[in-house]
Amino acid sequence: GQQVMQIPQYQHVQEGEDFTTYCNSSTTLSNIQWYKQRPGGHPVFLIQLVKSGEVKKQKRLTFQFGEAKKNSSLHITATQTTDVGTYFCAAPPNDYKLSFGAGTTVTVRA
Amino acid sequence: DAGVTQSPTHLIKTRGQQVTLRCSPKSGHDTVSWYQQALGQGPQFIFQYYEEEERQRGNFPDRFSGHQFPNYSSELNVNALLLGDSALYLCASSFHLGYTFGSGTRLTVV
Repeated sequence: GQQVMQIPQYQHVQEGEDFTTYCNSSTTLSNIQWYKQRPGGHPVFLIQLVKSGEVKKQKRLTFQFGEAKKNSSLHITATQTTDVGTYFCAAPPNDYKLSFGAGTTVTVRA
Repeated sequence: DAGVTQSPTHLIKTRGQQVTLRCSPKSGHDTVSWYQQALGQGPQFIFQYYEEEERQRGNFPDRFSGHQFPNYSSELNVNALLLGDSALYLCASSFHLGYTFGSGTRLTVV
């Protein structure tokens, strides 16, 4: 079945620096969703990308969907301690389920 | 507007026992999905319920079963518990865009 692969698995960031996490699929995706899970918490929906080459911004977060709709990225600028958590990409192989990547766990050094 | 509510929050069971987890979806949401999240991994799809029917099932054995009630709430039942069933069980409801997850039930099998 469809799988999405995320890299890196872990991201250690100095506060104030930027970083990017990537999500890749071997198949074309109809859309891709991003979720954030804080330590001890549950996944929280961030955004959905649908169109080829789409770019969406949420404050310091920039989400991009690749032209071929097989990859996506999340870029965070000026990282803050509130950005700590695990970021998951998820894609629907059909209308009824989401396949989640393994996530990128972000820690921040103050 | 209440989000997704799950109960109980924590549960400890012995191998071989049976467990029932409960979920009330977000107001206005008619679709409920269940996910299993092992420590350090992304959520894995168990099944989805819509109109009181199981609409899609993931790669989980028949020991995992569910139900959806006319008010859209749902139950997840797991029989003959194994140590490997220890995980965070997440319920997610959806209507159109993105999934809203509950806080989960942390199940420990000893």
